[in-house]
Amino acid sequence: EPEVTQTPSHQVTQMGQEVILRCVPISNHLYFYWYRQILGQKVEFLVSFYNNEISEKSEIFDDQFSVERPDGSNFTLKIRSTKLEDSAMYFCASKSGQETQYFGPGTRLLVL
Amino acid sequence: KNEVEQSPQNLTAQEGEFITINCSYSVGISALHWLQQHPGGGIVSLFMLSSGKKKHGRLIATINIQEKHSSLHITASHPRDSAVYICAGLNTGNQFYFGTGTSLTVIP
Repeated sequence: EPEVTQTPSHQVTQMGQEVILRCVPISNHLYFYWYRQILGQKVEFLVSFYNNEISEKSEIFDDQFSVERPDGSNFTLKIRSTKLEDSAMYFCASKSGQETQYFGPGTRLLVL
Repeated sequence: KNEVEQSPQNLTAQEGEFITINCSYSVGISALHWLQQHPGGGIVSLFMLSSGKKKHGRLIATINIQEKHSSLHITASHPRDSAVYICAGLNTGNQFYFGTGTSLTVIP
């Protein structure tokens, strides 16, 4: 069964460093999403992406964040200058149309 | 304001019991998702519904649009059902609003 994959599974970085989280959505999917979950808290929506542009973004998704679909298969989330409070599990998801989303396994980011 | 509230926050059941988890949502939510998050963190989408009822195996999800309420039922619960169950509402602007989750433990 096709699945969404994410790399790396874990990332540790120093505060102020840039990180890129990578996702490979399911191949025929058209809608892409990033979510985050701070430890012990609820899942939060960050951004949705369709037709090579951001379709929705939350208040969390400020200028430090950007998304890109560089090559038609990968979907990346970049955090330009990480802060301690960016430590969280980041989930990517994709879907093809009106049906449900498929989630990746997540990338656990720790900012020191 | 778009909000999603779940109850109970924690639930412990004996194997075989019928389980109900409730979700209430505010005006502006056009569709509801039920998600399952395993202890390792992975998230699986169980249902997406905007009306009526859906069934998949031992799981049943219902939604009452007038009352802005949805329920997730698990029949004949099993220890492998132990997970966090999350209700998430999708508003007309296509943004998701997540509930805080219900942590379910099924004891053998």
